[in-house]
Amino acid sequence: QKEVEQDPGPLSVPEGAIVSLNCTYSNSAFQYFMWYRQYSRKGPELLMYTYSSGNKEDGRFTAQVDKSSKYISLFIRDSQPSDSATYLCAMSARWGNRDDKIIFGKGTRLHILP
Amino acid sequence: SQTIHQWPATLVQPVGSPLSLECTVEGTSNPNLYWYRQAAGRGLQLLFYSVGIGQISSEVPQNLSASRPQDRQFILSSKKLLLSDSGFYLCAWSVSRVGITEAFFGQGTRLTVV
Repeated sequence: QKEVEQDPGPLSVPEGAIVSLNCTYSNSAFQYFMWYRQYSRKGPELLMYTYSSGNKEDGRFTAQVDKSSKYISLFIRDSQPSDSATYLCAMSARWGNRDDKIIFGKGTRLHILP
Repeated sequence: SQTIHQWPATLVQPVGSPLSLECTVEGTSNPNLYWYRQAAGRGLQLLFYSVGIGQISSEVPQNLSASRPQDRQFILSSKKLLLSDSGFYLCAWSVSRVGITEAFFGQGTRLTVV
């Protein structure tokens, strides 16, 4: 079983819809959860991060972590064509330790249709 | 502020030729450094991970190698490229602080082996 599983899509939704992106993971040691956004031919950029379980909201974006189910989600409200990109979940186990490599999901390609 | 430089942006190389991709980081010291490959439809694959000069962890056995001759320099190499080495190569560095381990990516090198 891979450490992080993410549906590659593509996911196409109409403008204004709510988008739900998800990842599952197998390593219960993961504590730090991140979402990166990657536009075509560019490097990924950090969008949101959360620590442990719960929700975090930032504008139209909400990140949700359910550690009991080993499941994380990113919700995008009022989706815009400019949100079209690949979204990658990422996670790491430890802070303050040199061996805290970040593991990424494969990314979900999202298309927002005008 | 911290910046990461990765070059070249695009590279076309014949099968069997050598490869050297360089990545340098400015504005931070003793970072964790990463090489990822992103092949079409296959997501972000961690290739190498380094926590310090001369310390390299290989995540996937393959035709590539990595070296870290200086604290903020990370080099990806191959003696003989294969067609399957084509892809989008991303260098990244990470820092750990309270509550987050965040990775910062370069702009990537698109390698086509012909």
